[in-house]
Amino acid sequence: AQSVAQPEDQVNVAEGNPLTVKCTYSVSGNPYLFWYVQYPNRGLQFLLKYITGDNLVKGSYGFEAEFNKSQTSFHLKKPSALVSDSALYFCAVRDMNAGNMLTFGGGTRLMVKP
Amino acid sequence: EPEVTQTPSHQVTQMGQEVILRCVPISNHLYFYWYRQILGQKVEFLVSFYNNEISEKSEIFDDQFSVERPDGSNFTLKIRSTKLEDSAMYFCASSHLAGDTGELFFGEGSRLTVL
Repeated sequence: AQSVAQPEDQVNVAEGNPLTVKCTYSVSGNPYLFWYVQYPNRGLQFLLKYITGDNLVKGSYGFEAEFNKSQTSFHLKKPSALVSDSALYFCAVRDMNAGNMLTFGGGTRLMVKP
Repeated sequence: EPEVTQTPSHQVTQMGQEVILRCVPISNHLYFYWYRQILGQKVEFLVSFYNNEISEKSEIFDDQFSVERPDGSNFTLKIRSTKLEDSAMYFCASSHLAGDTGELFFGEGSRLTVL
């Protein structure tokens, strides 16, 4: 079985400061890892993914994430937060040997204050 | 940019009634999904669909649920006899290939309220 943990329900950061949203995962095979963002009353928007290759992946809106196999983590980062980044962020994993099902974490609410 | 569209955006129904949620996936995508998100909880997988049949389903997707692609464009989720606990946001998603590395594209969701 695959699972994802996002240990923080909420992350607060001041505008202009770096942000990190944490994610750890568990799969039996090799993982495909994803980050999605959800703005109020909207659907899930894809931010970035790790499939293979460079452990640091870059995505939309200046976000990046680092895959760490030994720590089974895929933390989302951004060097300088914007107020408009405030939203709900979901980490998701797919086991490459177990079909198409994406398993989501519980979500982390990011609050960026001016 | 192509997108997944869902209707209705919000439906209120009485317990025991049948509900059909509709989705139009991105046109060249081949794999279709339904997920749901109960208020304040995580996004949960319901079912995936390929080549006119279910490819995977979760424990949530019991006999009360069904999916079909009746006309080659719409992808529907039917709940035969709704229960209070079916109240949730239902998200449709599509992707281009199976078992692939591609991301899922999600619609904006249909909020179902069961009274």
